[in-house]
Amino acid sequence: GQQVMQIPQYQHVQEGEDFTTYCNSSTTLSNIQWYKQRPGGHPVFLIQLVKSGEVKKQKRLTFQFGEAKKNSSLHITATQTTDVGTYFCAGTGRRALTFGSGTRLQVQP
Amino acid sequence: DAGVIQSPRHEVTEMGQEVTLRCKPISGHNSLFWYRQTMMRGLELLIYFNNNVPIDDSGMPEDRFSAKMPNASFSTLKIQPSEPRDSAVYFCASSRGLTLPYNEQFFGPGTRLTVL
Repeated sequence: GQQVMQIPQYQHVQEGEDFTTYCNSSTTLSNIQWYKQRPGGHPVFLIQLVKSGEVKKQKRLTFQFGEAKKNSSLHITATQTTDVGTYFCAGTGRRALTFGSGTRLQVQP
Repeated sequence: DAGVIQSPRHEVTEMGQEVTLRCKPISGHNSLFWYRQTMMRGLELLIYFNNNVPIDDSGMPEDRFSAKMPNASFSTLKIQPSEPRDSAVYFCASSRGLTLPYNEQFFGPGTRLTVL
């Protein structure tokens, strides 16, 4: 079945450092979404990527979709304490949405 | 506008009891999703509906789990009988549709279920 793997599972950074999480799918995806879940909260949609090789930016966040549409990454420049949470990628293939295992980001002030 | 509404927010029950979780999607959204989140298994898609019709229930763990969507504004997820391993946070999410550009999902606050 469709599997989406995400690394790292956990990252602890100092405020101001950069952060990247990577997402890999076992199958080609139609599109990929990214969500953020704050501690104790629910996933909140960040962005969707559709085209091969697509790059989108939201302020300090940069999202990429691989050329083969099987991988994606989220890069945060100069992290802030408000970036704390778990970041999930979610791919659409055969099923509506398969979530990756998530990367939990901790930011030390 | 109100977001996705779930009830109850917390449920504590004993093994063997029936549990019913409720969800009201965002008005105008045609697709509804049930997820389960645990530390061990992450966020799992259990079942989803489109226009009140179940589309894919392959994520439902076993026959003890059932879900219904009798109308566009209400869905239930039932566990009967419940077991301790069902303890998790259950999220309901809705979207305008299943295809681009309507497939952004909006999650409810979740129901934290504890089965003793």
